[in-house]
Amino acid sequence: EVKLVESGGGLVQPGRSLKLSCAASGFNFNDYWMGWVRQAPGKGLEWIGEINKDSSTINYTPSLKDKFTISRDNAQNTLYLQMSKLGSEDTAIYYCARAPGLRRDYWGQGVMVTVSS
Amino acid sequence: DIVMTQSPFSLAVSEGEMVTINCKSSQSLLSSGNQKNYLAWYQQKPGQSPKLLIYYASTRQSGVPDRFIGSGSGTDFTLTISDVQAEDLADYYCLQHYSYHTFGAGTKLELK
Repeated sequence: EVKLVESGGGLVQPGRSLKLSCAASGFNFNDYWMGWVRQAPGKGLEWIGEINKDSSTINYTPSLKDKFTISRDNAQNTLYLQMSKLGSEDTAIYYCARAPGLRRDYWGQGVMVTVSS
Repeated sequence: DIVMTQSPFSLAVSEGEMVTINCKSSQSLLSSGNQKNYLAWYQQKPGQSPKLLIYYASTRQSGVPDRFIGSGSGTDFTLTISDVQAEDLADYYCLQHYSYHTFGAGTKLELK
């Protein structure tokens, strides 16, 4: 069974950093591009970025490039999202996704990040 | 950057009706290499992750009812839901992945 399980979310103070993880199982993790998407409360989906199979290509939405760093550990079947200088506008559910937009598309359940003092 | 303009913002329908949701991209999503449009449609119900309905603009994902139809090419795309059911009430998003990725703003499908 394919599973993507995000973790690492929670309440964080403005200006701080946070690192999210996405644990993959049930498929060959290193065969797939992976991505991160977020959704602020009551708002639409926002693409954050993606990483290719061997981490040689990482693309970000330009407006978020300076805030987020995507990485992966194929040996651990885990995708990461490092977030820095967090502000209230970063409060959202963060989803990891496998091959988004394609036949093998699969999403995790998401993890909530709340930025507040 | 490719901008996706999705309309309408919301739609009120009765069961059994047909609805159309539109997405227009600021540049063509058609690949000259494989003649595929890099456009997907998602459905999201409250409290759930997005679910892929359509990929390559018109290919229905496995298990998706055939009342969901994707069409269009180049810059103009449509998701048609024929014979709307109560279970179809959700938010719908288009996603371009021709050049990086961009979502449309979403369409909320509600009961009239």
